[in-house]
Amino acid sequence: KQEVTQIPAALSVPEGENLVLNCSFTDSAIYNLQWFRQDPGKGLTSLLLIQSSQREQTSGRLNASLDKSSGRSTLYIAASQPGDSATYLCAVSPISGNTPLVFGKGTRLSVIA
Amino acid sequence: EAQVTQNPRYLITVTGKKLTVTCSQNMNHEYMSWYRQDPGLGLRQIYYSMNVEVTDKGDVPEGYKVSRKEKRNFPLILESPSPNQTSLYFCASSLAGWGTDTQYFGPGTRLTVL
Repeated sequence: KQEVTQIPAALSVPEGENLVLNCSFTDSAIYNLQWFRQDPGKGLTSLLLIQSSQREQTSGRLNASLDKSSGRSTLYIAASQPGDSATYLCAVSPISGNTPLVFGKGTRLSVIA
Repeated sequence: EAQVTQNPRYLITVTGKKLTVTCSQNMNHEYMSWYRQDPGLGLRQIYYSMNVEVTDKGDVPEGYKVSRKEKRNFPLILESPSPNQTSLYFCASSLAGWGTDTQYFGPGTRLTVL
């Protein structure tokens, strides 16, 4: 059964730092991997979707990488800002049809001004 | 504005009293899903729908019902709510399946069953 782990569970950094969030998954047979952001009291917002054939995706200050063979993905945030404070979730899509996404429990990020 | 809306946002109810949480999307998406989010367990899919009149179970369907009579709406029905259904619920939609396409989430419904 696919399991997704995110480490650390919480992270606090000063504004301006570059940081890396980690996501690992146990079964490399995935269709894609997605990173989401969740703000308190709000729903999830999709940040980046990496297809299994891709190695990375970039959007602004965010860069997500995928190493399917080792079961790892990282989300790199450059020049962090207080507005980046949120919980970041990764989710993998198993390769077999419409099997539900498997989510990690998230990393709660605080960027201190 | 493209969005997924849910109502109510907050609900406190008692065991056994039937309730419906509505979900609506204005993006003409084929796929819609319901998730629940619990501390320590993360997000888990309850039910999903690939099109009108086509629904299927997710990971945790027990105690829930859904219907998809119109493309834009996907209500979640709790016929006889129990305290273990106290949770934060999210509706989501996507143009294609979540395996291939970005999902758009609603703002969530916080349900408390006493």
